Amino acid sequence: SYELTQPPSVSVSPGQTARITCSGDALPKQYTSWYQQKPGQAPVMIMYKDTERPSEIPERFSGSSSGTTVTLTIYGVQAEDEADYYCQSADITGAYRVFGGGTKLTVL
Amino acid sequence: QVQLVQSEAEVRKPGASVTVSCKISGHTFTTFAVHWVRQAPGQSLEWMGWIDAGEGDAKYTQKFQGRLTITRDTSATKVYMHLSSLTSEDTAVYYCARETLGFDPWGQGTLVTVSS
Repeated sequence: SYELTQPPSVSVSPGQTARITCSGDALPKQYTSWYQQKPGQAPVMIMYKDTERPSEIPERFSGSSSGTTVTLTIYGVQAEDEADYYCQSADITGAYRVFGGGTKLTVL
Repeated sequence: QVQLVQSEAEVRKPGASVTVSCKISGHTFTTFAVHWVRQAPGQSLEWMGWIDAGEGDAKYTQKFQGRLTITRDTSATKVYMHLSSLTSEDTAVYYCARETLGFDPWGQGTLVTVSS
């Protein structure tokens, strides 16, 4: 079955830049969304169509795509950004969805 | 504003079945694509399947084929997730979510506990 690969963890100090990658063979053909999940809460969409940010999401969140890898970048990380981040996309047929394994962002 | 409100927590014994509902309001129901995602304790999000609320067609990931059924009731504007032959590995929080450009919004989640 199709899989998306994320690093299990990323750690940065406040004010630094965090980058979280997501790799998958179908990513050149399928859009990716990103979700932020804090403990005990439902996920929240923070990026869609690889690079589009919902209006309520802070500008420090940015998305990019290159080949089979998409990247979520958080500029000027704040303590409140500590959370689990998941990428999500579709398989090559577009009929089935998949999540990455998640990345735990720790703000030191 | 679109809202997805799920049914309350459930406890089942191994071998039993469970149905979780997702009540949708705030937009034309039949335009929705509704997905189900689960999260076992301390684990990652796992996509299960989805339904086209207008057509009623559903698709499921292979892992749940034969055990999972997603249906909808257009008059009640509800989507249902039915999972059978439960084991302890099905203990998880189950979420519904609308898909437009991504999964947004999500329901609040429903904890299903499978225990003897």
